[in-house]
Amino acid sequence: QSVLTQPPSASGTPGQRVTISCSASSSNIGNNAVNWFQQLPGAAPKLLIFDNDQRPSGVPDRFSGSKSGTSASLAISGLQSEDEADYYCAAWDDRLNGWVFGGGTKLTVL
Amino acid sequence: QVQLQESGPGLVKPSQTLSLTCTVSGGSISNGGYYWSWIRQHPGRGLEWIGYISYSGSTYYNPSLKSRITISADTSKNQFSLNLSSVTAADTAVYYCARGGDYDDPFDQWGQGTLATVSS
Repeated sequence: QSVLTQPPSASGTPGQRVTISCSASSSNIGNNAVNWFQQLPGAAPKLLIFDNDQRPSGVPDRFSGSKSGTSASLAISGLQSEDEADYYCAAWDDRLNGWVFGGGTKLTVL
Repeated sequence: QVQLQESGPGLVKPSQTLSLTCTVSGGSISNGGYYWSWIRQHPGRGLEWIGYISYSGSTYYNPSLKSRITISADTSKNQFSLNLSSVTAADTAVYYCARGGDYDDPFDQWGQGTLATVSS
C-alpha cells in the first residue's frame, strides 16, 4: 500500500480535460513539494511537474499541477492519444525520511 | 543533456548480492551539486526509492532497505553503483538510476531501467 493515494485509473476522450489526484498527510505533501511523473508503456518514468506546479523544459503547457494542503492534482487539458500512460506523484516524507510515491494512475484515452 | 545507463546481471540467486552500475554521460557525477539515486519498480507495480549518493560522496538510504543497501561511486569512470545484499524473490524488479534525490531535488533524468530477477 502506497503512502500517497492516487486513483488506480482515469479516462477521457481526445480534447477533454482530465485531473488526477494525489493525497496523503502533513508529513509529506503538506510540508514538501510534489512532483509528477509520466511513464509511457515500456519506458522509464519522465519528470512532468516539479515543485507542485513547475514544468521542465519541453513539457507542454497542457500539463499543469497544483497543491492545496495535503492534496495535489495533475491536470491534462486537450487530451491526446499519446497521453495514455501511467502517472505517479511523489514527495519527500519527513516522518519516513525518504521519498514516497503514489501507487500510480493508469490514464486511458478513449 | 545528461544520460544514464544501468548495467548488471539480469539474474541473481536468492541470498546473494545484487550489484548494478549506472554510467553517466554528458555531465560529471562529482560536480554540479547533483544527487544520484536508485529507484525500483516491482513488476506491474509502483515505484520505490532506494537511496542516493551525492556529488560529494555522501549517501542516504531508504530506512526500510537500509540494512541491505550500499551505494558507492567511481568518479574516474563517472559511475555509481548499487549493492543489495541477501536478496529474495521480493527484490525482483526493474531498477532505475536517476539524477536527483535530495528532499527538494526531483528526479529529472532517468536511465531506461534494467530488470533484475531473483531466482534459483
